[in-house]
Amino acid sequence: GAVVSQHPSWVICKSGTSVKIECRSLDFQATTMFWYRQFPKQSLMLMATSNEGSKATYEQGVEKDKFLINHASLTLSTLTVTSAHPEDSSFYICSARDRDLRGGRGHGEAFFGQGTRLTVV
Amino acid sequence: GENVEQHPSTLSVQEGDSAVIKCTYSDSASNYFPWYKQELGKGPQLIIDIRSNVGEKKDQRIAVTLNKTAKHFSLHITETQPEDSAVYFCAARPRYTDKLIFGTGTRLQVFP
Repeated sequence: GAVVSQHPSWVICKSGTSVKIECRSLDFQATTMFWYRQFPKQSLMLMATSNEGSKATYEQGVEKDKFLINHASLTLSTLTVTSAHPEDSSFYICSARDRDLRGGRGHGEAFFGQGTRLTVV
Repeated sequence: GENVEQHPSTLSVQEGDSAVIKCTYSDSASNYFPWYKQELGKGPQLIIDIRSNVGEKKDQRIAVTLNKTAKHFSLHITETQPEDSAVYFCAARPRYTDKLIFGTGTRLQVFP
């Protein structure tokens, strides 16, 4: 399958600071990337959908000013957790959807990065 | 909107036995159904997927079946091995969206 690289794999930061997480599709172009948050022993919660060259679409209840998403190219999206607090501690995972070269929707697998464990102290 | 239910939440099997995980979805317009395996501390890994125009797909020890009429799909793992132990998630993608709607996950334990 295709490779999605997420960096860093873990980070510890002080309360009030900002943290940037990078997500790269290494061997394919991704017009759409997704950011998820996962709590222990729970499913993946979609935070936002990121489209290259346009503003991200946030899910209900997700603060867009706190979780800044930038999708500058077909292979890179970043999530910045601003003014982090202990309650932001979580496992954050990105996903990139393989570009649909045939046009239309309903095609293109989604591949996940290895995740980032964020701990805010 | 789409809703995906997954059962069971935990599943324990003896090595060599088969394991079956079932999911149901609510939106009949959904047309893509992937399965992911997530090991502890890692991101989900796509292991198999099926599209709505196919009833069954197999890849070595893994198979997925889809019943569009009943709106359910299942993951079948045969000859299980301890390294199959992980959390498995099913998902569904509604036709006119990029989003995947995930099930709640199944923790599979394979005992040697």
